Amino acid sequence: GAGVSQSPSNKVTEKGKDVELRCDPISGHTALYWYRQRLGQGLEFLIYFQGNSAPDKSGLPSDRFSAERTGESVSTLTIQRTQQEDSAVYLCASSLAGGHGELFFGEGSRLTVL
Amino acid sequence: ILNVEQSPQSLHVQEGDSTNFTCSFPSSNFYALHWYRWETAKSPEALFVMTLNGDEKKKGRISATLNTKEGYSYLYIKGSQPEDSATYLCAFDTGNQFYFGTGTSLTVIP
Repeated sequence: GAGVSQSPSNKVTEKGKDVELRCDPISGHTALYWYRQRLGQGLEFLIYFQGNSAPDKSGLPSDRFSAERTGESVSTLTIQRTQQEDSAVYLCASSLAGGHGELFFGEGSRLTVL
Repeated sequence: ILNVEQSPQSLHVQEGDSTNFTCSFPSSNFYALHWYRWETAKSPEALFVMTLNGDEKKKGRISATLNTKEGYSYLYIKGSQPEDSATYLCAFDTGNQFYFGTGTSLTVIP
């Protein structure tokens, strides 16, 4: 596609429910990143994919968070048993190669956990 | 976790004023320094990617400088316009990871 696409753009869920956030990167971009921004805070790194592998999962805040990428394309971030502190804007970005070029961001998925 | 700091946190300027803000980063493990502009309800967009000490980049009224030895970068906006209102993020690039600052929120008052 022309740009990085994320869905849903907005998600309101109840505490304890599972959510899936999807990212479609720019075609041909091998590197894919997930970040989140909680209210009043900066961009927080979650996970990075090079191809379908995740060499750096250090930012995942707990074992309730997982992510996968298939076909060196679409990535899904899954949050199980959501908590109120998971409320944030989740941003996906892709680049041609990990850490060697500018990041192209999606518009984000705003998650609100009630 | 690498510490990337931006200052000021927020800034209000009058239309036509020039302004600048700072990004501080570690002097080790440096690969590149990125600047992004993040407008409300949009996605962050890259302004500059700088790799060499002493680099200066310019795009229209916006320019940036880089000092890797002392670990800082400045972003300058000349003759600010209301459309420049946004959050400006810097990112420290280690070659395989990006560490973002918390951003400088700029509001340009018409």
